[in-house]
Amino acid sequence: GAGVSQTPSNKVTEKGKYVELRCDPISGHTALYWYRQSLGQGPEFLIYFQGTGAADDSGLPNDRFFAVRPEGSVSTLKIQRTERGDSAVYLCASSPQAGPSYEQYFGPGTRLTVT
Amino acid sequence: GNSVTQMEGPVTLSEEAFLTINCTYTATGYPSLFWYVQYPGEGLQLLLKATKADDKGSNKGFEATYRKETTSFHLEKGSVQVSDSAVYFCALAQGAQKLVFGQGTRLTINP
Repeated sequence: GAGVSQTPSNKVTEKGKYVELRCDPISGHTALYWYRQSLGQGPEFLIYFQGTGAADDSGLPNDRFFAVRPEGSVSTLKIQRTERGDSAVYLCASSPQAGPSYEQYFGPGTRLTVT
Repeated sequence: GNSVTQMEGPVTLSEEAFLTINCTYTATGYPSLFWYVQYPGEGLQLLLKATKADDKGSNKGFEATYRKETTSFHLEKGSVQVSDSAVYFCALAQGAQKLVFGQGTRLTINP
């Protein structure tokens, strides 16, 4: 079946611009996670959704970052007033439910470059 | 807070060599532990996991044992292949499975 998909695969934007990154989880998965991976580092947690609600947004670095999942499926990560330090690969993962018994399936990521 | 420390890379081995990638963690309570792998050009995939102390996770010839006394989850394989070349990430999770990753170890296997 189809895995987690993310669009766009690459995004180049100018400092100060607004960007949206999209994640399509595996059908039926209720839990959805966003991570950010800087060059040479492991992924860092940003936010996780259980259904439509953000159950834990403790990893969002500041109020320029926001994510939504209005219908409990597709999620969009929104970054306002982008800065060069936001350049990274943004990863999305989904799992059937939240909890250590459930594997997280990762998408290929969106590489964001802020110039 | 929770954290994971991995053996620094890159690691280069010859085919059929024995592999160990060290991983230690800091956490309160009893986290679940994972190894994820990222093959060239592909997304992160779960390689193996262990959810309680003394559990051994295994997959594709790789093994790791959850050692609470040493807070470790070292990855081992008895005989590596060229196809094992990838970046390996150790990770932990507590509660709702928010993953905390190590920095990754790049492994290259030469024929």
